[in-house]
Amino acid sequence: AQSVSQHNHHVILSEAASLELGCNYSYGGTVNLFWYVQYPGQHLQLLLKYFSGDPLVKGIKGFEAEFIKSKFSFNLRKPSVQWSDTAEYFCAVNALRTGGYQKVTFGTGTKLQVIP
Amino acid sequence: NAGVTQTPKFQVLKTGQSMTLQCAQDMNHNSMYWYRQDPGMGLRLIYYSASEGTTDKGEVPNGYNVSRLNKREFSLRLESAAPSQTSVYFCASSEGQPYNSPLHFGNGTRLTVT
Repeated sequence: AQSVSQHNHHVILSEAASLELGCNYSYGGTVNLFWYVQYPGQHLQLLLKYFSGDPLVKGIKGFEAEFIKSKFSFNLRKPSVQWSDTAEYFCAVNALRTGGYQKVTFGTGTKLQVIP
Repeated sequence: NAGVTQTPKFQVLKTGQSMTLQCAQDMNHNSMYWYRQDPGMGLRLIYYSASEGTTDKGEVPNGYNVSRLNKREFSLRLESAAPSQTSVYFCASSEGQPYNSPLHFGNGTRLTVT
């Protein structure tokens, strides 16, 4: 069964600090990888996704993530965070399989608090 | 574009009461999902519908039933609410197999069972 681990549950940063949120998954086959963001009181929105090709993917609002297949990791990064990045971030994995449904497994989330 | 619309936004139930959460999408997506979100546990899949006419259990289906009314609508029913079902419920949709596209989420329903 696939699973997703997010190691940091709560991260507090000052504005302009750099961000890296860890995500590791367990699944031996081909995967699609996603980061979703949930701003306070809102629903989840797609931040970025990796399907294939360049393992360094860029998303909205200056976020990027790197897929390292050998480490089963898909860490999220941002060089300089802003107060408006305060949100909860979820890593998700879609294990590709023929037939059946699109099974997306979510990590438990990382709450990011950015202090002005 | 409305995207994924959920109703109601908030609901308070007494133990044993029943209710139905409604979800509709206007993106012509094949697959629809119901998740619950609890603090520290991320999102857990309750039920899904890979395509119109099919439904299947996810990780935490006990105490819930679903109906895929048509391609647009996917409802979640709590027959006899329990305090353990206090949660935020999200409906989502996607193009489904073989596209494996991202999920699109509704705004959620915050349910409290007393």
